[in-house]
Order: sequence, then structure tokens, then C-alpha cells
Amino acid sequence: SYELTQPPSVSVSPGQTARITCSGDALPKKYAYWYQQKSGQAPVLVIYEDNKRPSGIPERFSGSSSGTMATLTISGAQVEDEADFYCYSTDSSGNHVVFGGGTKLTVL
Amino acid sequence: EVQLVESGGGLVQPGGSLRLSCAASGFTFSSYWMHWVRQAPGKGLVWVSRINSDGSSTSYADSVKGRFTISRDNAKNTLYLQMNSLRAEDTAVYYCARGLGIKSHWGQGTLVTVSS
Repeated sequence: SYELTQPPSVSVSPGQTARITCSGDALPKKYAYWYQQKSGQAPVLVIYEDNKRPSGIPERFSGSSSGTMATLTISGAQVEDEADFYCYSTDSSGNHVVFGGGTKLTVL
Repeated sequence: EVQLVESGGGLVQPGGSLRLSCAASGFTFSSYWMHWVRQAPGKGLVWVSRINSDGSSTSYADSVKGRFTISRDNAKNTLYLQMNSLRAEDTAVYYCARGLGIKSHWGQGTLVTVSS
């Protein structure tokens, strides 16, 4: 079955740039989406269709995709950005949604 | 205001069944694809199933195919997940979600515990 691979953890100091990657064989043809989930809360969409930002999401969140890898970038990470981040996409058929395993972002 | 409220979770023995419901309000329910996504305690998000806007098309993760059935009642603005032959590994918070893209909205989830 199709898989999306993320690093388990990323750690940065406040004000630094955090990059979280997501790799999958179908990403050259399928969009990547990114969710942020803070402890005890439902996930919130922060990037859709590789690089678009929903209204209300800070400009420091951006996305890109090249080949089989999508990247979420948080420029000037803040302490309040600490959370688990999940990429998701679909398999090549488009019928099955797949989430990556999640990346815990630590900002300290 | 868009609201999704899940219910029906609880403790069930292995091999048992549960039916989850997701009551939708604040938007035109019949216009949206809906999803169930689960999260085991301390683990990541796992997509479970989706249904299209009129209920004519469904899809399932391999781990639940043949055991779970997604359905909807557009007249009642309600999404369902019938879960049969439950296993310990099905223990999780189950979220319903209105789409997963730009118009995504998630409920707060309902906990399902499969244990003897």
C-alpha cells in the first residue's frame, strides 16, 4: 500500500527556519497537503495543493513540492508553532487518502 | 457556524460492533464529500474512509475494508461509520471531517476502545 514518509522530529530555535519533508512516489502527480495538530486538538489545515495557504494561516508557513518530495517550511518559527505536522495526499489512483506518519516540531 | 459532532464511541469487546454518527450543521451537508480519520492514543492520523456527496461512491483503507461501512443520510445531515469485527488495533479517536482540502472542517472526535 502507498506510504508517505516524514521525519519523526524536527527541532529549531525560535526565529529559525524549520523544514519538514514528506516523500512519496505519487507526489509528482498528486498534491500534498499539510495539517498542524496541537496537543489535544483537532488538526488544522496549514497548506493545501502543495503551496497554497488558507486564510488565517500566518505567512511564515509555506509549502513546496519537487519530484517525490513535498516540504513544509516555517520561516521564523515561534514557540506557539510547536505541534505535530502531518502531510497527506492520495495514491496514484486517487481513491485512497494517505497520511504521513507525522513530524513533531519542537521550538526551543 | 460549521459544526461536526461525533457520537457513538465507547468501550466494546473484540469482535463486537459500534456505529458512529457525525451530526453536521452550519453548511450544506449534501454538497460535500465526508471522511472518517482515526488516531490511536499517542499515534498519528490514519485515514479510514470517505464517501462522496450523494453517497454513491465510497472508499476504505485496507485495514478496515470489509469490516467498516461508511454511509450518510443527507436528509438528516448525518454521516455514519458502522464498525464490525472490531479489533484491539481499532482503538482510537475517530474524527469525521468535511473534505480534507481548502474547505476542510473537523469534529472533535469520539473515542472507541476495543478491549475485553
